[in-house]
Amino acid sequence: SAVISQKPSRDICQRGTSLTIQCQVDSQVTMMFWYRQQPGQSLTLIATANQGSEATYESGFVIDKFPISRPNLTFSTLTVSNMSPEDSSIYLCSVGEDRGVTDTQYFGPGTRLTVL
Amino acid sequence: QKEVEQNSGPLSVPEGAIASLNCTYSDRVSQSFFWYRQYSGKSPELIMSIYSNGDKEDGRFTAQLNKASQYVSLLIRDSQPSDSATYLCAVNEDSSYKLIFGSGTRLLVRP
Repeated sequence: SAVISQKPSRDICQRGTSLTIQCQVDSQVTMMFWYRQQPGQSLTLIATANQGSEATYESGFVIDKFPISRPNLTFSTLTVSNMSPEDSSIYLCSVGEDRGVTDTQYFGPGTRLTVL
Repeated sequence: QKEVEQNSGPLSVPEGAIASLNCTYSDRVSQSFFWYRQYSGKSPELIMSIYSNGDKEDGRFTAQLNKASQYVSLLIRDSQPSDSATYLCAVNEDSSYKLIFGSGTRLLVRP
């Protein structure tokens, strides 16, 4: 499977600021996704990062709060804007790989964000 | 609201036993099913995928799918303390690439 890296691995931020998280893949992939995992919770899909067009956001997530870029098939960024303590979570990118039947998703190592 | 349900646990089993993890889903048209393992502080790691009714075996892991009853399970044979983790069930939404995750079952294997 593709090797996925994320930067930063963790950060502590002040409320009202913004943080941009980078996701880099070692091969070209069609599908990239951003998830959030709040403390003690499961994964929630934020958006699908589309190459060359605007991301597709899930219900409850908006572009102004979570702008996403996908300039090419190996890289994407997620920005968490105007942060509040409620944004403290692990943010994960994943990539979809075609396994013949369906895309199988593999996750990056995650970014642990704490907002004070 | 499409849902994936799992017992949160913890499921505690002795070393060497079979651990049985269960998952039910609400969307009848779901086609693909995945089990991820997540160690504390780490990201989810794919361990099994299954698409057809029946059993699929991979080493000590067996995934079982019953679409008529809308459940998927994961059996771990000869459980080891290193298997202690949270196991997440995930289901493809319709024919899209989106995954809906269950809340996870925490497994504890006692030495």
